Amino acid sequence: GAGVSQTPSNKVTEKGKYVELRCDPISGHTALYWYRQSLGQGPEFLIYFQGTGAADDSGLPNDRFFAVRPEGSVSTLKIQRTERGDSAVYLCASSLSNSGRALFFGPGTRLTVL
Amino acid sequence: DAKTTQPPSMDCAEGRAANLPCNHSTISGNEYVYWYRQIHSQGPQYIIHGLKNNETNEMASLIITEDRKSSTLILPHATLRDTAVYYCIVIKAAGNKLTFGGGTRVLVKP
Repeated sequence: GAGVSQTPSNKVTEKGKYVELRCDPISGHTALYWYRQSLGQGPEFLIYFQGTGAADDSGLPNDRFFAVRPEGSVSTLKIQRTERGDSAVYLCASSLSNSGRALFFGPGTRLTVL
Repeated sequence: DAKTTQPPSMDCAEGRAANLPCNHSTISGNEYVYWYRQIHSQGPQYIIHGLKNNETNEMASLIITEDRKSSTLILPHATLRDTAVYYCIVIKAAGNKLTFGGGTRVLVKP
């Protein structure tokens, strides 16, 4: 079946602009995660949703970052006033809530802030 | 969650078994060992996980020592497509997030 999809695959923006990154999880997966990965580093946790609510947003670096999942399926990661340091690959993952921690990751969105 | 230690890199020969070590000496009784890998330009991929018994699936085998302080991921017949960064992660059953370390960069050579 279809895996996790993320759009766009690449996003180039200018410093100070607002961006939205979209994640479509695997159908039926109630848990959704956002991670950020800088070059040469392992993925860094940002936020986790169980259903519509953010169960853990402790990884969001500051208040410029916000994520929503209004209907418990698609999620959008929103970044305001982008900075060059926000450049990274943003990864989304989903899982069945009762399957332990076998997360299924999407291909990521590569964000470049000029 | 317990910290893990992995070698930063290793090479292995195509067709041979690849044995990837992971040290997790501070693991507690309710923590699982998970392995993921990340092929270049792709998202991480789940491989296998275990608590204390050895586990095997179509991708790999996981051997956990009796004291649970270390484990080994075994790729039985490495192929060039197994070239990737392999992450060993320890997490409580009730934990909600995976914490990735640096992983082991595995290069499978012909």
